[in-house]
Amino acid sequence: AQRVTQPEKLLSVFKGAPVELKCNYSYSGSPELFWYVQYSRQRLQLLLRHISRESIKGFTADLNKGETSFHLKKPFAQEEDSAMYYCALLILTGGGNKLTFGTGTQLKVEL
Amino acid sequence: DTGVSQDPRHKITKRGQNVTFRCDPISEHNRLYWYRQTLGQGPEFLTYFQNEAQLEKSRLLSDRFSAERPKGSFSTLEIQRTEQGDSAMYLCASSKRQGSTDTQYFGPGTRLTVL
Repeated sequence: AQRVTQPEKLLSVFKGAPVELKCNYSYSGSPELFWYVQYSRQRLQLLLRHISRESIKGFTADLNKGETSFHLKKPFAQEEDSAMYYCALLILTGGGNKLTFGTGTQLKVEL
Repeated sequence: DTGVSQDPRHKITKRGQNVTFRCDPISEHNRLYWYRQTLGQGPEFLTYFQNEAQLEKSRLLSDRFSAERPKGSFSTLEIQRTEQGDSAMYLCASSKRQGSTDTQYFGPGTRLTVL
């Protein structure tokens, strides 16, 4: 069965330190993965998707099919990065797609 | 604001009452999704529409839940005979397939509290 695992509920780092939010998935099909972010009192918003191979707000994520991982990284954390981060896997379904989310990691960047 | 909108943002009801939520997707998006999120969990898929057709329903969607998208634009999610376990954030998302990808954009959610 498809599953997304985010092992850390809370990750606390100091400003300027590197950040790595872990995400592992299990899926028998060809995976399409996303990172969504939710800032305090705001809606869930797309941060990045693996298919675009982009860097958004300094964050990058590489899909590693061998390790079934899609970890989110940023070399230098900023205070404004403090938020809830969700990894999500797109599942092909009847005529469309649905997202399977992990349980999320709360990132706290301390001064 | 041309993003996904949901109404109401908060709903408090007593057990046994019926509630209805509305979602307005991004105007050119033909796909619409409902998710439910409880405390400490990520969103969980409930159901999916392509235009006005409901193409998939999760087993989480009991027979007390019904969703419609009558004209392929806005959608409603109704919960009949609410139970305390229905308390959650109900999220709506919309998308339009572009090339090989299909990115879902989320609304602000409706927080339901069942007393």
